[in-house]
Amino acid sequence: DTGVSQNPRHKITKRGQNVTFRCDPISEHNRLYWYRQTLGQGPEFLTYFQNEAQLEKSRLLSDRFSAERPKGSFSTLEIQRTEQGDSAMYLCASSLLGSYEQYFGPGTRLTVT
Amino acid sequence: GESVGLHLPTLSVQEGDNSIINCAYSNSASDYFIWYKQESGKGPQFIIDIRSNMDKRQGQRVTVLLNKTVKHLSLQIAATQPGDSAVYFCAEKGGPSRSGGSNYKLTFGKGTLLTVNP
Repeated sequence: DTGVSQNPRHKITKRGQNVTFRCDPISEHNRLYWYRQTLGQGPEFLTYFQNEAQLEKSRLLSDRFSAERPKGSFSTLEIQRTEQGDSAMYLCASSLLGSYEQYFGPGTRLTVT
Repeated sequence: GESVGLHLPTLSVQEGDNSIINCAYSNSASDYFIWYKQESGKGPQFIIDIRSNMDKRQGQRVTVLLNKTVKHLSLQIAATQPGDSAVYFCAEKGGPSRSGGSNYKLTFGKGTLLTVNP
């Protein structure tokens, strides 16, 4: 499968714990995006990378959230001190340089208890 | 401010009928629009896109129409099949940022649930 992959697919954690998600984009895609989606809503933009550079961050990305893409390939999204309001689907997408088409992975569903 | 919304939250059609899903947007600077299909438990799947310099684009069984005058976007699905049942989202990409650089983030609407009855 050469699409975007995300791990884990599901994560249940207790409030206050830290969690980390991984995204592997389509191999030749330079841009990588993170979105968050809550039930019944469309995805909301969090941040995006061009190669290893993080170029934009949403105001939704509080200081408890951090994203990295150290070698310009896979990316990680970490949430520290999770809160119940962090429960959502976290989606990763990637695109080619020069293209606006974003291709999404299956998402990581986070449940904070 | 920027927003993308949908006229109808749910749409139910009979198999074989044509479906039309509508979307309104408010950012006149948006220069690119995209439709996604999302099945339960899966990520959004690209269907079709259109740039603001076009008013119609056709794909396989799908057509997107863009009316910039009234800031309206629609997705037409021909001969709808049970496998088309899903939530459909329109999304817009804003125009250049204030700094003049490109703006790559997508702003999504809430979605329309399409149900196809056999």
